[in-house]
Amino acid sequence: AQSVTQLDSQVPVFEEAPVELRCNYSSSVSVYLFWYVQYPNQGLQLLLKYLSGSTLVESINGFEAEFNKSQTSFHLRKPSVHISDTAEYFCAVSDHWAGNTPLVFGKGTRLSVIA
Amino acid sequence: EAGVTQFPSHSVIEKGQTVTLRCDPISGHDNLYWYRRVMGKEIKFLLHFVKESKQDESGMPNNRFLAERTGGTYSTLKVQPAELEDSGVYFCASSQGGTPLGTDTQYFGPGTRLTVL
Repeated sequence: AQSVTQLDSQVPVFEEAPVELRCNYSSSVSVYLFWYVQYPNQGLQLLLKYLSGSTLVESINGFEAEFNKSQTSFHLRKPSVHISDTAEYFCAVSDHWAGNTPLVFGKGTRLSVIA
Repeated sequence: EAGVTQFPSHSVIEKGQTVTLRCDPISGHDNLYWYRRVMGKEIKFLLHFVKESKQDESGMPNNRFLAERTGGTYSTLKVQPAELEDSGVYFCASSQGGTPLGTDTQYFGPGTRLTVL
């Protein structure tokens, strides 16, 4: 069975400061990895994903995440956050080999950017 | 192109009543998923349709929950009778299907917040 651990439930950070949201997973099989974001009063949106290839993946709004197989981690980082990044962030995994399998989510990290 | 839509956005019912949630996936998407987030906990999978067939319903909590996807288009999730522990946010997601090794992105709806009193 797969599981995802997001160690921080809440992360407050000042505007323009860097941030790292941590995600660790456990799985007996190869996985795909995802970060979803939920802005206030909206649904979940895919932020970025790792399927294969380069272990560093980037989103269009400046976030990046690096797949580290040895540490079973997929931490999300941004060098300089904006007020608009305030949201809840979810790390998720799915089975690499089974095809269109359900996502297994972490509990989420609520990022609050302070002016 | 319209995204995944869910109706209603909020529902408040009393214990023992029946509620039906609806999800309209993105047009042409074969895969439809239901997930639920109980307050303070992770988002958990409930079930997965491929077109009109239930591919995986291992996450359904009990037989008070009934999901349907008639004609392979929209889906409904009925809770009957509702209990207090059913409260939470119910998300629907859809993905296209047909790509290798499950690389489809799942697109989520805004969710239905269900409160059982």
